[in-house]
Amino acid sequence: AQSVSQHNHHVILSEAASLELGCNYSYGGTVNLFWYVQYPGQHLQLLLKYFSGDPLVKGIKGFEAEFIKSKFSFNLRKPSVQWSDTAEYFCAVTGNQFYFGTGTSLTVIP
Amino acid sequence: NAGVTQTPKFQVLKTGQSMTLQCAQDMNHEYMSWYRQDPGMGLRLIHYSVGAGITDQGEVPNGYNVSRSTTEDFPLRLLSAAPSQTSVYFCASSLDRYGYTFGSGTRLTVV
Repeated sequence: AQSVSQHNHHVILSEAASLELGCNYSYGGTVNLFWYVQYPGQHLQLLLKYFSGDPLVKGIKGFEAEFIKSKFSFNLRKPSVQWSDTAEYFCAVTGNQFYFGTGTSLTVIP
Repeated sequence: NAGVTQTPKFQVLKTGQSMTLQCAQDMNHEYMSWYRQDPGMGLRLIHYSVGAGITDQGEVPNGYNVSRSTTEDFPLRLLSAAPSQTSVYFCASSLDRYGYTFGSGTRLTVV
């Protein structure tokens, strides 16, 4: 069965701290990987996606993610977070279907 | 383009009532899906469609029906609302299943 795991449920950081959110997936076939962000009261927006090629993917707002096939991981990173990054972050994978992780709530303290 | 439009934005139902959540997209996307979002559970797929006339079940289809008579519209019907269906519902569409565009959501409360 296909699944996505996000192990960090709640993360609290101070502004300018570095961020790394974990995402692991289980699927034996070719996958496409995504990170979505949901700001408070809003719908999901695509941050970045990986289909193939360079495993280091750069997205909007300074976010990046690295696909490590051997670890079945697609962790999201940002070198220096801002208060405006406070949101919920969802990892998603497309194999035979489109599945989301349970999300990580990020709170950035000014 | 309006993108993905969901109506209504908020709804309160009594247990046993039925209703339809509307979803429309104007991007000529073939793929459309309905998700429900619950705290601590992420987004769970209810039903999806890969084109007009074709629908299939997702992870949590019980209590919901869908139809896809046109490419643009993908309504979700609650047959007999239950408190367990209190949730935020998102409709999403995709040209090729590789990255979805989401609607703004419908917050449903069943009392």
